Amino acid sequence: RKEVEQDPGPFNVPEGATVAFNCTYSNSASQSFFWYRQDCRKEPKLLMSVYSSGNEDGRFTAQLNRASQYISLLIRDSKLSDSATYLCVVEKGTGRRALTFGSGTRLQVQP
Amino acid sequence: EAGVAQSPRYKIIEKRQSVAFWCNPISGHATLYWYQQILGQGPKLLIQFQNNGVVDDSQLPKDRFSAERLKGVDSTLKIQPAKLEDSAVYLCASSLSDTQYFGPGTRLTVL
Repeated sequence: RKEVEQDPGPFNVPEGATVAFNCTYSNSASQSFFWYRQDCRKEPKLLMSVYSSGNEDGRFTAQLNRASQYISLLIRDSKLSDSATYLCVVEKGTGRRALTFGSGTRLQVQP
Repeated sequence: EAGVAQSPRYKIIEKRQSVAFWCNPISGHATLYWYQQILGQGPKLLIQFQNNGVVDDSQLPKDRFSAERLKGVDSTLKIQPAKLEDSAVYLCASSLSDTQYFGPGTRLTVL
């Protein structure tokens, strides 16, 4: 089993749609969770951290379920500029801030 | 604020040759990471430095890969000898706390 597993892509959605990405992780000792965004041929950039209480940043909502070891990202009112690969990222549980990245889910928002 | 700098941006070599990559982290960031990202996959941590000490190199293929951060600032990653499967983007990241900031990467092609 992979340490971090994500929905296989690509997701092709029209502008304005709501889209959800899911992710599961295997290490119950992990303490920190993130979503990173990676544009084609660019470096990953932090989109948002994920907290147990859930957190929202504009059109983006992230949720964490520690019991199920499940993380989600919801994007509302999709924009063309949201087209990218979304990487689910989990801290390794060593307390050293080392991260394990999922393989990513590609989103293509179409006009 | 200047970001993470990496060079070269692209490198093409033949198998069994040697190659070195350079990274200059964001000023003041004590933690530096090297990742390998193979096409279609998420970044995989190769090595993590805290200042000039190695924190985690469990996934570094030590028979051919080496890395150093002698003065606790910039770092070099070397591959000797290269194999075809080393073709990937090599990403450097640095952090002060939980957020990792990535450089643009070095795209290595091994022929």
